[in-house]
Amino acid sequence: GENVEQHPSTLSVQEGDSAVIKCTYSDSASNYFPWYKQELGKGPQLIIDIRSNVGEKKDQRIAVTLNKTAKHFSLHITETQPEDSAVYFCAASISFNNNNDMRFGAGTRLTVKP
Amino acid sequence: EPEVTQTPSHQVTQMGQEVILRCVPISNHLYFYWYRQILGQKVEFLVSFYNNEISEKSEIFDDQFSVERPDGSNFTLKIRSTKLEDSAMYFCASKTTSGSPPNEQFFGPGTRLTVL
Repeated sequence: GENVEQHPSTLSVQEGDSAVIKCTYSDSASNYFPWYKQELGKGPQLIIDIRSNVGEKKDQRIAVTLNKTAKHFSLHITETQPEDSAVYFCAASISFNNNNDMRFGAGTRLTVKP
Repeated sequence: EPEVTQTPSHQVTQMGQEVILRCVPISNHLYFYWYRQILGQKVEFLVSFYNNEISEKSEIFDDQFSVERPDGSNFTLKIRSTKLEDSAMYFCASKTTSGSPPNEQFFGPGTRLTVL
């Protein structure tokens, strides 16, 4: 089955700096890669996703890149703000089986210091 | 904006007792999921449900677990005889359709289950 590895487990940056979180996956059939932000006491919330036919996607301060050959994808947050502090999870899934159940990475706790 | 809701927010139970965790998915969604997250660990897939039957389940989802959609709105997860290691946050999720391109799963706020 799919195995998703995520690094680093914790990341601390100064406000205004960039943050990068990296994930690798094992199943070459995976074709959907969402990123979730989880704030304390809440469920995961989708912040951006990328599909296998796209190499890069950007939404304001966040961007995601995908390298299908190397089976890795990354989340980039620029101009970080204290409210970006949360746990971020990457995930990978295969859509063709109609289930789209996702396998998550272990999470990265991002702390943005004011 | 429609959202997935879950009740209760926190459930405390004694080992060996049965618990039922409840979820109300977004009304026009067709696919339903349960995930769990042990404290400090990753979110783990438990089961997916479509057309009134289980589509896929993980190795975690053993005979002690069951899911049901008893009516048109609720989706439940039952643990028959809880164990200490069942203590975790349980998330329900739903989405509209399958296919390509795949679409977003919406997560509920979770139920924290504590087994004593």
